[in-house]
Formats: sequence, structure tokens, C-alpha cells
Amino acid sequence: AQTVTQSQPEMSVQEAETVTLSCTYDTSENNYYLFWYKQPPSRQMILVIRQEAYKQQNATENRFSVNFQKAAKSFSLKISDSQLGDTAMYFCAFMKRFNTNAGKSTFGDGTTLTVKP
Amino acid sequence: GAGVSQSPRYKVAKRGQDVALRCDPISGHVSLFWYQQALGQGPEFLTYFQNEAQLDKSGLPSDRFFAERPEGSVSTLKIQRTQQEDSAVYLCASSFAHEQYFGPGTRLTVT
Repeated sequence: AQTVTQSQPEMSVQEAETVTLSCTYDTSENNYYLFWYKQPPSRQMILVIRQEAYKQQNATENRFSVNFQKAAKSFSLKISDSQLGDTAMYFCAFMKRFNTNAGKSTFGDGTTLTVKP
Repeated sequence: GAGVSQSPRYKVAKRGQDVALRCDPISGHVSLFWYQQALGQGPEFLTYFQNEAQLDKSGLPSDRFFAERPEGSVSTLKIQRTQQEDSAVYLCASSFAHEQYFGPGTRLTVT
């Protein structure tokens, strides 16, 4: 079974600054996906960024980037130029690669990020 | 088109009542997932469908929980004889190419 650990229950950052959210995971699988999701208060979960385990290059999406360390089983999220709209709960998730279809995801317990003006 | 929709958005049930939660996935998405999210925690997997076939129900907490997707599109999660510990947000997600798209969830409160 897979486990995902987010060791920072809460974090805060000043607007326009950079923040890094940590995530570690444990698996015996070699082919898998890792995700960061954003869940604003009382709003639905949306995908922020995705990393495929076989790719060595770290994924980036505009102000969001990851530091994927496969050997260390670490997958951190860096948010640059933080904006007030980034305030949300962030979840790290693991998905085993399953043929051509998605498998179930295993989520961490989340990090609540507050961006301060 | 439209995203994943869920209804009702909020449900209050008295202990012992049966409830039914509906999920309308994105059209054409083969896979559909149900998750349970307790307050302040990450979602926990309940069950998974590929078309109308329920391929994994290992996360259903008890035999009071039942899910179906008879025509491979809309899915219903049914909870019989609700208990207080069933209070949570129930999330549905449909997927395409290893990306899951989540609905807004149904917040169930059992009193």
C-alpha cells in the first residue's frame, strides 16, 4: 500500500514571495504519477500540477513547479510570486500507473496555505 | 462541456436514515471514483468504476455503503442506516488519461 505524508499542517507566506510545500511518499511501485491539488475553502479540488515518475525533468506550470526526487521519494511544490488567490488547502497525491486508465489516488492530509497581503 | 456535478450539495440526515448521493461525470469519461473526505483531512478512496463495472470497492467502510453505475455514466453512492461517523464530504471524480476531475462534493451531516 502507498502512503503520502505532508508534514506541514499549516504555512503562511507574504504576497509576492515564494513558498515550498513538502510531500514524501512510500511505495514499492516504479511507474506512477504524483499530483498536487488545490482545494480553496468550500470550493472544489482542482489539479495544480502533475509529475510522471519516469520523467526526470521537474514539471512546471506557470508560477508552480515541483522538485521531484524519486530516490528520496520526495515531491515538493514551489509557488513563486504568491497571490492572495493561492490561499487554499493543498494536497499531495499518488496514483499508480494502471494501463491506460487512471487508478485510485492516495492523498496526504493536506497543508493549509495562507497568503498574507 | 460541463465539469463533474454532484447532488445534493448538502444533506442532513437523522441517524438511521438512508441517503443517496448522485454524481454526473464528464461526458465520455470511462473511470469514476468516489472518495470520502473527513474535516481537515485528505480524501480517502471508497470505490472505482470503469464504465458500469465496479472494479474496486475495497475502500467502502461497511456493508451499509453501496455504489452503482448501471449505464456507465451517472453514479449513485447509497448509505443505509446512516451513523454519525458517516458525516463527511463525499467527492466524486471522473478521469481521462490519468487525470482526475473532481466534483464539488456532497457534505453529509448525520445528526
